Amino acid sequence: NAGVTQTPKFRVLKTGQSMTLLCAQDMNHEYMYWYRQDPGMGLRLIHYSVGEGTTAKGEVPDGYNVSRLKKQNFLLGLESAAPSQTSVYFCASKGGGIDEQFFGPGTRLTVL
Amino acid sequence: GNSVTQMEGPVTLSEEAFLTINCTYTATGYPSLFWYVQYPGEGLQLLLKATKADDKGSNKGFEATYRKETTSFHLEKGSVQVSDSAVYFCALRRGGGTSYGKLTFGQGTILTVHP
Repeated sequence: NAGVTQTPKFRVLKTGQSMTLLCAQDMNHEYMYWYRQDPGMGLRLIHYSVGEGTTAKGEVPDGYNVSRLKKQNFLLGLESAAPSQTSVYFCASKGGGIDEQFFGPGTRLTVL
Repeated sequence: GNSVTQMEGPVTLSEEAFLTINCTYTATGYPSLFWYVQYPGEGLQLLLKATKADDKGSNKGFEATYRKETTSFHLEKGSVQVSDSAVYFCALRRGGGTSYGKLTFGQGTILTVHP
């Protein structure tokens, strides 16, 4: 039982490049979330999903897209990376009727 | 909108000292309140929670009481250990069935405990 895993762990991009971050969970959770963590700002919600095939915008969605084609996977895409997207990205999942979110180990992204 | 404010850090303590990390919130209705902890190089994990006024959450020697009259959820521990060194986040989930579990986080407080 791996919990929530994220791929890759580290990535360096140049401005304008694109990439996809993968989040996978093996707990059969309905809800999945993407956050970014920046110094002094805590975690801010980018996008979330309440089930397979659904996505919704969070607090800071601009510049990101997401997809949830399979229940266990939640992908976060950056179409044209900008230095302002340099951050640590965390994925989380939650079962229905449970309060606790389970977090992945994070992806550290640097955009030059 | 909802918001969470934590005390400024970082906090540096000696082992066995008493810890308080202040957290206040702004929300309508009856939110649920959480403390998450992030150990170095890891993701966040739930430390404790409280879902209604006057509830006390506790875990691993940490406690926090949901105070609706002061809109606070301060984290306390009577005797900290070096292994408690981490970043602590206060968070809230809006009450009601349409929150979809979304959390609003405070900015985090870095705690360092020295031997």
